[in-house]
Amino acid sequence: QSVLTQPPSASGTPGQRVTISCSGSSSNIGSNTVNWYQQLPGTAPKLLIFNNNQRPSGVPDRFFGSKSGTSASLAISGLQSEDEADYYCAAWDDSLNGHVIFGGGTKLTVL
Amino acid sequence: QVQLQESGPGLVKPSETLSLTCTVSGGSMSNHYWSWIRQPPGKGLEWIGYIYYSGNTKYSPSLKSRITISVDTSKNQFSLKLNSVTAADTAVYYCARGIPAAFKPYYYYGMDVWGQGTTVTVSS
Repeated sequence: QSVLTQPPSASGTPGQRVTISCSGSSSNIGSNTVNWYQQLPGTAPKLLIFNNNQRPSGVPDRFFGSKSGTSASLAISGLQSEDEADYYCAAWDDSLNGHVIFGGGTKLTVL
Repeated sequence: QVQLQESGPGLVKPSETLSLTCTVSGGSMSNHYWSWIRQPPGKGLEWIGYIYYSGNTKYSPSLKSRITISVDTSKNQFSLKLNSVTAADTAVYYCARGIPAAFKPYYYYGMDVWGQGTTVTVSS
């Protein structure tokens, strides 16, 4: 069972804005930064957001990350068919000498 | 542009040791964190651990007793050994690079470069 909680699924129509949540605790999201990964079918994950809200070079500004307290969110605006993928949040957890934890993943369907 | 490539046996027998190597090309290993992540069939991502280029390591608490991650900067490679494997260790194994972070010692930001992944099946 993942320590970071994400909804298993989300959906939207092209052009819409969708939000994916990620809930944690004081030992992970509450104390550390959050990252988001996009995994297209059959491919390796891709870093989408790091340090809560920073986008690596090449990631469109349609993707927006935010964090408040022990929760984080990924918002995708102007939804496109190619956004259909699995999305994972991740953060360090300070327990047990520190380790990275992932959320269970959210499958985004573009209707 | 840095690229990562995993290599190793695709089939490992139960109770034996899984050994994988990740080769780093197009850049130096210095000042970065080098991680292993796995994904069982149809499931989510699981962080295994990392090694800093200088040799410091952090491991997943649930796997710590069975894993060793090592680095050979002269060959631009880092490796994973997971012993006493069972069917539950069947997964796609990825290597990845962590972005050095300033907010805590030996923590990193996200993993910005990933290998394509290699499938390892544990079966007799």
